[in-house]
Order: sequence, then structure tokens, then C-alpha cells
Amino acid sequence: SAVISQKPSRDICQRGTSLTIQCQVDSQVTMMFWYRQQPGQSLTLIATANQGSEATYESGFVIDKFPISRPNLTFSTLTVSNMSPEDSSIYLCSVGEPQETQYFGPGTRLLVL
Amino acid sequence: GDSVTQMEGPVTLSEEAFLTINCTYTATGYPSLFWYVQYPGEGLQLLLKATKADDKGSNKGFEATYRKETTSFHLEKGSVQVSDSAVYFCALRPNSGYSTLTFGKGTMLLVSP
Repeated sequence: SAVISQKPSRDICQRGTSLTIQCQVDSQVTMMFWYRQQPGQSLTLIATANQGSEATYESGFVIDKFPISRPNLTFSTLTVSNMSPEDSSIYLCSVGEPQETQYFGPGTRLLVL
Repeated sequence: GDSVTQMEGPVTLSEEAFLTINCTYTATGYPSLFWYVQYPGEGLQLLLKATKADDKGSNKGFEATYRKETTSFHLEKGSVQVSDSAVYFCALRPNSGYSTLTFGKGTMLLVSP
């Protein structure tokens, strides 16, 4: 299974600012995903990021709020822009190949004041 | 669309008790089914999976059997430990294309000594 790291592991931010979360994988992967887990809730898919193409966003998520980069097959970033307290969540990166098991990173715990 | 329904928690058990966490799903065709576990303060870890009807996934004493006739994938363990305290997520993935995971809401398990 892939080894996935995320930076930062946690952060406290002021409203109106932006935070970029990094996801690094120890091997090349086709698909990278970004999820949000609001307090006490399940996981919601934000977008799928494939290298060489724009990210595909799920309903309710837009590129202006959550811009994503995927410069190569081992790295992706998610930016949470113009943050508000409602953005306080755990943000999780996951990776996988089509029809293969998805593996998750440890998550980034974000608190917006 | 696809959906996963899990029993609500928290499930509170004493050590060495028998565990069942119910999971049922709605999907077209025959999806792959997964149980992920999230320990306090951590990301998601794959616990077990099954990719076709009547498959049994097992890991760390946990088991789940893919039941097509009842569209279920209940998680069981014969004797729980305090260290099993975590949130358990049932998930499905359609077996076609670049499909993504659909998660249930999660069930918190609390095991006391």
C-alpha cells in the first residue's frame, strides 16, 4: 500500500486567510482525491485530481474556493481560500488506481477562528 | 444514486464482548465494499474489503461478508479490545470506470475495560 503524508498536520487560521495543504505519496499514482470531514461527520469528496488535467469537483465545491494542483504523479495541493469558521474540518488526501483500493493520508486538522 | 447506511452509534461494549456493526447499501450492479477505521486523531485506515458476492473480508479479528441478497456488509468481531475503540466507516465503490468511494456516516465504537 502507498505511504501518504500531509502537511501541515494541523493549523489554526484566521478568517479571510487561505491555507495550502500538501499531499505527498511515496509512489506514482493515477488518481488523488481530496475529502472533507466536518466535525462528527462522514467524509465528503471535494474533488478528484489527475495529473495533466484540471481537477473534477463534486457538487457544492468550486475551484475558486478549493483550488487544487497536481503537478506530478506523487504530489497534490489543496488550498482552502478565504476561510470562514465553517471551513473548520479535517481535510484528507487519498490515492488509488482505477478499480483498486483507496488509501488515505493522516489528514490535516484545520480550525478557523 | 449510491448510498450506504450504517447503524448509529456510539456502540458501547465491554472488553471481550461480541461486536456487530450493521451496514447496508444501495447501488446498481455489484460494487466493491469496504470497512475503514479511524482511530482518535488519525486518518482512515483500510480494515477489510470484499469485491464480489459471498466474499468474506477479514483482518485483525474483524470479518464482514458481502451479502448480495440482503445488500449488506455487516462488520463483526468475536472479542473486542479497548484498542478497537474508533470510528468505523462502511463504504462502496462501483465496479466501473474511475468511480469513487461512497461512505456511510460512520459508527463510533467505545470499548471499556
